[in-house]
Amino acid sequence: GAVVSQHPSWVICKSGTSVKIECRSLDFQATTMFWYRQFPKQSLMLMATSNEGSKATYEQGVEKDKFLINHASLTLSTLTVTSAHPEDSSFYICSARPTSGGAYQETQYFGPGTRLLVL
Amino acid sequence: KQEVTQIPAALSVPEGENLVLNCSFTDSAIYNLQWFRQDPGKGLTSLLLIQSSQREQTSGRLNASLDKSSGRSTLYIAASQPGDSATYLCAVRNRDDKIIFGKGTRLHILP
Repeated sequence: GAVVSQHPSWVICKSGTSVKIECRSLDFQATTMFWYRQFPKQSLMLMATSNEGSKATYEQGVEKDKFLINHASLTLSTLTVTSAHPEDSSFYICSARPTSGGAYQETQYFGPGTRLLVL
Repeated sequence: KQEVTQIPAALSVPEGENLVLNCSFTDSAIYNLQWFRQDPGKGLTSLLLIQSSQREQTSGRLNASLDKSSGRSTLYIAASQPGDSATYLCAVRNRDDKIIFGKGTRLHILP
């Protein structure tokens, strides 16, 4: 089946540093990937849509200069949290939609998530 | 703007009981609806996906229904077990390909 991996699975960093999170589709190509954020006891909120070879589309209220997204290949998207602060501590989950097939037919496959703690 | 609501927010039931989780959404123009399970500190496990043209899907002890016109879905769990304890998330996929999640129902099955 379709598998999406994330690396790292958890990270602890000091305030002010930058953290890069990788999202990979292991056995399929994904033109489009999505990044979500989940605060404790809250639901997942879509942050941005990542498109291979073009700029990401950010949801309202998400700072594009703080959350840098790069989708350089059909199997890899990266999210970089720049100058991280404690309020950025959260659970970050990505999903990937297979390129093949009609858009509405394909589901999105979710990664296992990355837990970020900023001290 | 699509909004997804899940009721109840939390539920505790004795082992062996059947139970129903509810999900409602405000915009019926969806591609599909999906139910996920999330264990504490973990990622998402997809349980059932219902396309907009379908009315229900079944997998083992789970049955999910979809009434798109009224903006409602239910997840039925039969013969609940302690291992079913988790948070259950309902998510709808809009026509713009975005997935909107509800806040979830935290389920606790009492042994």
